[in-house]
Amino acid sequence: SQELEQSPQSLIVQEGKNLTINCTSSKTLYGLYWYKQKYGEGLIFLMMLQKGGEEKSHEKITAKLDEKKQQSSLHITASQPSHAGIYLCGADGGPSGTYKYIFGTGTRLKVLA
Amino acid sequence: NAGVTQTPKFQVLKTGQSMTLQCAQDMNHNSMYWYRQDPGMGLRLIYYSASEGTTDKGEVPNGYNVSRLNKREFSLRLESAAPSQTSVYFCASKRGLAEYEQYFGPGTRLTVT
Repeated sequence: SQELEQSPQSLIVQEGKNLTINCTSSKTLYGLYWYKQKYGEGLIFLMMLQKGGEEKSHEKITAKLDEKKQQSSLHITASQPSHAGIYLCGADGGPSGTYKYIFGTGTRLKVLA
Repeated sequence: NAGVTQTPKFQVLKTGQSMTLQCAQDMNHNSMYWYRQDPGMGLRLIYYSASEGTTDKGEVPNGYNVSRLNKREFSLRLESAAPSQTSVYFCASKRGLAEYEQYFGPGTRLTVT
């Protein structure tokens, strides 16, 4: 079965610093999603990548899917305390329409003011 | 729009007790999901309902049952709770097959003693 591995597991950065979170799949990704979870709350959708080489941005967060569609990176520029939380990558477990989504174990981000 | 709502927010059960977690969405979404989130395990799919009238097993269905009561509501039942079911449970919904964004509820924290 497909697995998503995220790295690092946790990250502490000083406000204003850039950071990158990686998500690696054991199989080809048909759709890769990034979510953010504030501590004790539900997940909020950030963006979805589908095509190899695709890159999307949302405010100061940029995500990219590599050409082979097995790895995605999430980059935060000039981090702020509001970026703190858990970032999870998720993917379709198979071709579109299988509905069986899988998620990585998450990366806990703390931003020091 | 309330989005996805879940009740209760917190619950403590004794081993062997039963309970139903309720989930409702007011976005007219076709698909609904139940996940559990455990430390170090990420989110794992328990059951999903692709559309009203259908349900199917996810990655970890054992010990659970679901009911898609109508288009709005999708409930998760624990018939005989076990300590291994201590977790945070999230309900999610999405519009349909061609849509990628899942909307998550705030979660239910369940402890089984």
